[in-house]
Amino acid sequence: NAGVTQTPKFRVLKTGQSMTLLCAQDMNHEYMYWYRQDPGMGLRLIHYSVGEGTTAKGEVPDGYNVSRLKKQNFLLGLESAAPSQTSVYFCASSYPTRMDRDGEQYFGPGTRLTVT
Amino acid sequence: AQKITQTQPGMFVQEKEAVTLDCTYDTSDPSYGLFWYKQPSSGEMIFLIYQGSYDQQNATEGRYSLNFQKARKSANLVISASQLGDSAMYFCAMRDRFDDMRFGAGTRLTVKP
Repeated sequence: NAGVTQTPKFRVLKTGQSMTLLCAQDMNHEYMYWYRQDPGMGLRLIHYSVGEGTTAKGEVPDGYNVSRLKKQNFLLGLESAAPSQTSVYFCASSYPTRMDRDGEQYFGPGTRLTVT
Repeated sequence: AQKITQTQPGMFVQEKEAVTLDCTYDTSDPSYGLFWYKQPSSGEMIFLIYQGSYDQQNATEGRYSLNFQKARKSANLVISASQLGDSAMYFCAMRDRFDDMRFGAGTRLTVKP
């Protein structure tokens, strides 16, 4: 099993450009998440999905959109990139059980995005 | 909204000694779960240990144990017999019934030979 994979691994954008980050998981997880990681701030939740066709806003959703057309895929879009979106982006997935050991999130390797 | 606080930006420990990484949390939900993750310099997030709010005993996973003090809302990670490979960022996280996983700012642990 590949687990959680992310495409691309690195990307440099100019201000105003758009892009889509792809996350794929092969563990049949219901829940999927997008986080951003900035120095000194840990991981912050951007958007998440509790099932195919559903999405919800997390802690820092502004400037991002997401789609979950297939259970195994979760896409993160930046319509008009800004330098403040320079960050490392992590995708994660988990089973729906929230309050026990199965609530563990499995993470992808991350995408390093730089917006100039 | 829940909040996770890790007050130690950086910690040093001598190889083979034990170290405690602090984590305090805040939630009004009596049902919640606490997680610790390790992030080595390679960048991946590695799950270490879980503690549920109703668990009677402190969680243990090999050299990792969680010092859970519910009344103080603290969930400190204890690493015994530190190894050079333990050098990494460590994140405390929590989820409850109303909010999904939230992470602390992390603690960078350096193990000295």
